[in-house]
Amino acid sequence: DGGITQSPKYLFRKEGQNVTLSCEQNLNHDAMYWYRQDPGQGLRLIYYSQIVNDFQKGDIAEGYSVSREKKESFPLTVTSAQKNPTAFYLCASSIVAGTEAFFGQGTRLTVV
Amino acid sequence: AQSVSQHNHHVILSEAASLELGCNYSYGGTVNLFWYVQYPGQHLQLLLKYFSGDPLVKGIKGFEAEFIKSKFSFNLRKPSVQWSDTAEYFCAVNSLMDSNYQLIWGAGTKLIIKP
Repeated sequence: DGGITQSPKYLFRKEGQNVTLSCEQNLNHDAMYWYRQDPGQGLRLIYYSQIVNDFQKGDIAEGYSVSREKKESFPLTVTSAQKNPTAFYLCASSIVAGTEAFFGQGTRLTVV
Repeated sequence: AQSVSQHNHHVILSEAASLELGCNYSYGGTVNLFWYVQYPGQHLQLLLKYFSGDPLVKGIKGFEAEFIKSKFSFNLRKPSVQWSDTAEYFCAVNSLMDSNYQLIWGAGTKLIIKP
């Protein structure tokens, strides 16, 4: 079954800790994205990668980091520098940038 | 800054009512346009898209959207809604002038259908 897998579905973190969200796709897509979804604000782009070993900052990259060492994987690290990390995080991929995006189920991160 | 506006944050309709959700964007050039839907507890999925050609686009589950270039609009319509259409709907646009081809998203419209 082709698709995008995000794990875990729910994640709790103590203030001051870094945490890494997993995103894996088996669609052979070149482009991958991380979005943050907050109520009433739509989706805001954190980071994106158009190809392996390359990634670019989105609109709200501060306090986040990513890597793209493999085509199928695009993990997101939420660092302690992110001031308001509690949110719903969505990973997506597309064949190439600008085409239809396919989404994972999301990870809900709560900082306690 | 480039933006996408969805006019209504919440819409409540009865079953069989007609639906129109507004979407306006601020790009001046050639654009690709998308409507996505997020059903409760499910992932975002594509409803329909417009790249070029006929400005009236048919999507899944009886939805359609019309691209009106002069109005910078891409409104979503359905003639008769069902309870199962309860979901959040997002409009997204990317500009072909933008070398990064990034999608810009509207804030979403929560649609509730009363049975």
